[in-house]
Amino acid sequence: DTAVSQTPKYLVTQMGNDKSIKCEQNLGHDTMYWYKQDSKKFLKIMFSYNNKELIINETVPNRFSPKSPDKAHLNLHINSLELGDSAVYFCASSQAGTSGAGGQFFGPGTRLTVL
Amino acid sequence: GQQVMQIPQYQHVQEGEDFTTYCNSSTTLSNIQWYKQRPGGHPVFLIQLVKSGEVKKQKRLTFQFGEAKKNSSLHITATQTTDVGTYFCAGESGGSYIPTFGRGTSLIVHP
Repeated sequence: DTAVSQTPKYLVTQMGNDKSIKCEQNLGHDTMYWYKQDSKKFLKIMFSYNNKELIINETVPNRFSPKSPDKAHLNLHINSLELGDSAVYFCASSQAGTSGAGGQFFGPGTRLTVL
Repeated sequence: GQQVMQIPQYQHVQEGEDFTTYCNSSTTLSNIQWYKQRPGGHPVFLIQLVKSGEVKKQKRLTFQFGEAKKNSSLHITATQTTDVGTYFCAGESGGSYIPTFGRGTSLIVHP
């Protein structure tokens, strides 16, 4: 069974479009994350979310918004896509709030290409 | 804000040679985590270190956490082609459960 899954795996779209990426985890974790990985492999945290708190990286444009229908899902919605949004987006989950909790589990990634 | 510096950015080795990547944080960490990302893959959690001066081993991999809890290293003994990938450290501090990732070290192993 896949622990953290994302759909779609690949997403090719035109500038200006709105798109969503879905993420689900079956680990029972209470915190989920979205990361953007650029071509230089830098992992940039975009959002961290649990049922109590949403933490937004202030450098993330407000065209990006996380939506969590329940504890096991954290979707990423992107409005008005731009060329610079092209990257690999990773969802991750962890059991946060306790030291030594054991790291984050990443999904397989969604490669977004904006034309 | 917290910064985690990781060096080197790239490392080429011949198969059988050793490899080390280093992480340094601008602040004291509550814990540090290490991840491996294979080419085309996703980061995979390897280990978490919590205690000052902690040393942990996983087969040929040795992880260390500094006494001041501001630096860490990952050492691979006798590299193999299966070790190819990018190794990331990620540090947590100040009660935050959001780790700050280093930029990663890409290991290239030549057969």
